[in-house]
Amino acid sequence: EDKVVQSPLSLVVHEGDTVTLNCSYEVTNFRSLLWYKQEKKAPTFLFMLTSSGIEKKSGRLSSILDKKELFSILNITATQTGDSAVYLCSSGGSNYKLTFGKGTLLTVNP
Amino acid sequence: GAVVSQHPSRVICKSGTSVKIECRSLDFQATTMFWYRQFPKQSLMLMATSNEGSKATYEQGVEKDKFLINHASLTLSTLTVTSAHPEDSSFYICSARTGVTYNEQFFGPGTRLTVL
Repeated sequence: EDKVVQSPLSLVVHEGDTVTLNCSYEVTNFRSLLWYKQEKKAPTFLFMLTSSGIEKKSGRLSSILDKKELFSILNITATQTGDSAVYLCSSGGSNYKLTFGKGTLLTVNP
Repeated sequence: GAVVSQHPSRVICKSGTSVKIECRSLDFQATTMFWYRQFPKQSLMLMATSNEGSKATYEQGVEKDKFLINHASLTLSTLTVTSAHPEDSSFYICSARTGVTYNEQFFGPGTRLTVL
């Protein structure tokens, strides 16, 4: 059975801090790993990673995949209160389906 | 691009009634749509995979007679919760594949169902 494990489950930081969110996965016929941000409603897409060692970056957010260790991290630098959300990691195999982790609840305090 | 809508966004119904939720891809044709449910502070659990013109594939433990899925066109899938009960109260989210990239899914805004 495919499995995605995220850590930590929750995190409280102050504005300006840098955070690292972790995601490990076990997926049959792995194709890609996707990060989403969820604030109250449905998830919004952040990154999709398919190759090891290539960092993807969008503003203060970046993510990297290690296919040997079956691991990905999501970094957020200079956090802002608007970054407060649940961050979901998901992995996709050859059957198009995504398996989601439980998410990391990030709270950024002013 | 890749916008997915859901309707209604919120529904409250009495126990025993049926509720239909629509999921539409607005600016693309969705080869596959997915239905998830999410309980408070839990992750998304895939309920079923829906392909246009064919029967949905349900995940283990999901009752297909309880959660009827119809995918009549490349832009519309519907989920009907039949004879809803309070334990069916949840956040239901659909997503769609554009088919451009293999696993990428775009999510609708979700439907909050409350069964009294």
